[in-house]
Amino acid sequence: EPEVTQTPSHQVTQMGQEVILRCVPISNHLYFYWYRQILGQKVEFLVSFYNNEISEKSEIFDDQFSVERPDGSNFTLKIRSTKLEDSAMYFCASRSVNYGYTFGSGTRLTVV
Amino acid sequence: DAKTTQPPSMDCAEGRAANLPCNHSTISGNEYVYWYRQIHSQGPQYIIHGLKNNETNEMASLIITEDRKSSTLILPHATLRDTAVYYCIVRSPDNRSNFGNEKLTFGTGTRLTIIP
Repeated sequence: EPEVTQTPSHQVTQMGQEVILRCVPISNHLYFYWYRQILGQKVEFLVSFYNNEISEKSEIFDDQFSVERPDGSNFTLKIRSTKLEDSAMYFCASRSVNYGYTFGSGTRLTVV
Repeated sequence: DAKTTQPPSMDCAEGRAANLPCNHSTISGNEYVYWYRQIHSQGPQYIIHGLKNNETNEMASLIITEDRKSSTLILPHATLRDTAVYYCIVRSPDNRSNFGNEKLTFGTGTRLTIIP
């Protein structure tokens, strides 16, 4: 069964550093997403991406965040200057038209 | 905010059917009901979705009431591996106005515990 692959599985970074979280969506999917889940809290939407541009973003997705699909296969989330409150599980997801989302297994980001 | 209401927790004996209810009284005519689950801290896993007819797949069955204001997810023979948080989510279908960008809004879900 096709999978969404995320790397790394765990990333520890110092406050103020830049991090890039990587995702390889399912190859024939059209829509791509990032969600995050702070420990013990709900899964929260960050951003959706379609046709090589952001189609929607949440209040969380401020100027410190950016997404890119540089080569038609990878889909990345960059946090420019990490804060302690960015510590969370970050989930990438992709889907085809009118199908359910397929989520990756997540990257646990720990900002120290 | 999530447009669904679910009980915070439920227990079910292993081997029995687990019936998870969901209220979505404000659902619109074209909105689908989706079910996902999250095992521990893994990524949410798609289970099933439906519009108004009952649906069944290899994982579960979805029963939607005739007025569409509530639904029930049925896991026919629960196993210990079905212990997870189950999310009921209402979502608009892909169309030209939303370009398929209708995001999933997760609530707190139902924590289902399968008891040996």
